[in-house]
Amino acid sequence: DAKTTQPTSMDCAEGRAANLPCNHSTISGNEYVYWYRQIHSQGPQYIIHGLKNNETNEMASLIITEDRKSSTLILPHATLRDTAVYYCIVRQQGDDKIIFGKGTRLHILP
Amino acid sequence: NAGVMQNPRHLVRRRGQEARLRCSPMKGHSHVYWYRQLPEEGLKFMVYLQKENIIDESGMPKERFSAEFPKEGPSILRIQQVVRGDSAAYFCASSLRGTATYNEQFFGPGTRLTVL
Repeated sequence: DAKTTQPTSMDCAEGRAANLPCNHSTISGNEYVYWYRQIHSQGPQYIIHGLKNNETNEMASLIITEDRKSSTLILPHATLRDTAVYYCIVRQQGDDKIIFGKGTRLHILP
Repeated sequence: NAGVMQNPRHLVRRRGQEARLRCSPMKGHSHVYWYRQLPEEGLKFMVYLQKENIIDESGMPKERFSAEFPKEGPSILRIQQVVRGDSAAYFCASSLRGTATYNEQFFGPGTRLTVL
């Protein structure tokens, strides 16, 4: 079973920042927070991951709370192409399988 | 660099036939993972293979499903005597390293299997 809780769906206006929350209150010390997304009819795409520090790459930023029980994925300037299901995953670095939950269906509105 | 490739992209089979799904990992990757996504459901892990070895098959159905990753050539997911419930999207992922170290998985575009 997935160890994370995410809202079922969210809307965001094009050009605005999309902030996707994730709760992982049972996360253990050696588990990372990963984010993937799946655009319709495509395979999942890795976005970003982190342990306890905030992370940023060319796609997004990941903000992890100090107690690590929740995090937020930020897409700084959402476009229509960011419409997808976003999965927040808790995973040890050595895990072979990725356990996907139901994710958040993000709709970017024109 | 080419990403993970899967073929065919779409496969139609009648009940009782065999389905063979192929996955070519990214260049240099020797670890392959198969996932299944049933209609309107999330992705579920099926099997993890390294060259010539099955490492974890905890998500594979006990019957009719098998997977291999030979020394040469693509990984194959084989479904014998398909039934309508096998209709799904099957995704393959590959990683550079296995479980011991950083092992980001990169996914292919999937094979959509339809069983008539």
